Amino acid sequence: DTEVTQTPKHLVMGMTNKKSLKCEQHMGHRAMYWYKQKAKKPPELMFVYSYEKLSINESVPSRFSPECPNSSLLNLHLHALQPEDSALYLCASSQGAGLEQYFGPGTRLTVT
Amino acid sequence: TQLLEQSPQFLSIQEGENLTVYCNSSSVFSSLQWYRQEPGEGPVLLVTVVTGGEVKKLKRLTFQFGDARKDSSLHITAAQPGDTGLYLCAGAATDSWGKLQFGAGTQVVVTP
Repeated sequence: DTEVTQTPKHLVMGMTNKKSLKCEQHMGHRAMYWYKQKAKKPPELMFVYSYEKLSINESVPSRFSPECPNSSLLNLHLHALQPEDSALYLCASSQGAGLEQYFGPGTRLTVT
Repeated sequence: TQLLEQSPQFLSIQEGENLTVYCNSSSVFSSLQWYRQEPGEGPVLLVTVVTGGEVKKLKRLTFQFGDARKDSSLHITAAQPGDTGLYLCAGAATDSWGKLQFGAGTQVVVTP
């Protein structure tokens, strides 16, 4: 099973809202990732968690707050987003950092 | 930062034709992955190549990793409409700490 699940599939939020994106994997992977993808562009790395600890933050604005409650779950908390933050948010996991990554289906986020 | 140059950016062919997508860099990668992504979905891992000169075949898809591990190609034989999608190459450097360097992607359209 190489499945990474993400919820919700779609999310529309206002600039003053607080929402969370969720990601789950049951492959025993110890590294998990958040990416942002704009239309017709490749994914851009946001955060990397390795063994439930944040190992990479690609200078992401503080209105995005990641959380890794356990080895299977990864959350991305959103607050006071801007319209330009509208994008497809992808979660991925791998057995270890630097190994092949498996992506979830993504959350299509629209900020109004 | 290692740059992965992917070419061509766009490819439109008829069903039954062959196509090749290229991924080139001046840097050495410890592994390179190919993904296919459909609109609104997450990238799906097709293959990982790790050994210089390695050739992997998956049905009508042939992947090659350059001898120096700086470049790769994806060849599709007798393309079908189901091969339509965005093809992404992504490389991991030995000191990348889990970061994948993505190419810009090749949009492939196969018409019946």
